[in-house]
Amino acid sequence: DTAVSQTPKYLVTQMGNDKSIKCEQNLGHDTMYWYKQDSKKFLKIMFSYNNKELIINETVPNRFSPKSPDKAHLNLHINSLELGDSAVYFCASSQEAANYGYTFGSGTRLTVV
Amino acid sequence: KQEVTQIPAALSVPEGENLVLNCSFTDSAIYNLQWFRQDPGKGLTSLLLIQSSQREQTSGRLNASLDKSSGRSTLYIAASQPGDSATYLCAVRRGTGNQFYFGTGTSLTVIP
Repeated sequence: DTAVSQTPKYLVTQMGNDKSIKCEQNLGHDTMYWYKQDSKKFLKIMFSYNNKELIINETVPNRFSPKSPDKAHLNLHINSLELGDSAVYFCASSQEAANYGYTFGSGTRLTVV
Repeated sequence: KQEVTQIPAALSVPEGENLVLNCSFTDSAIYNLQWFRQDPGKGLTSLLLIQSSQREQTSGRLNASLDKSSGRSTLYIAASQPGDSATYLCAVRRGTGNQFYFGTGTSLTVIP
């Protein structure tokens, strides 16, 4: 009955590979997000997406792309992985209505070697 | 652009002490503010959510206050326990996409 689930929990891959991280929420929320947590533990928004609009943080390389097959899923695809992509990636969901808070997934630790 | 700062960056206290964590934000036009806890190697657990119209929220030993006009929030932890050791993050919600902007976090260690 996990509210926001991410898979895999850990991902180790070589430079240049393409990988995907999956996220699913069963809360009925209409907006999902991807955040990146760097080595200093700072959380930075990458994407926010609902069925109307994708908002991309301008600092995110275009090697990263969100894919949403339906309202309950927002997957993250990463092409041509680089060493600097190593981080923990968190998925979150909320309602677009401003009085809602976030629910986070448990994170995916990506290590690029 | 919204900037969120948390002070102190790290805090170590003996068990049983009451403590206060601080969060400040530069743009007071927020919808709400949320406090999270993150244990090492884990995800974020929501502790308290305060709407912009509220002054405080309480849950057990935790009390969060919000002073929107001055751009400040505090998280008060009463009678701290070793199990409270974690990183505490505040996040404010506003703006396009209704995204949350996160603070830099306070790493708390409660010594038995």
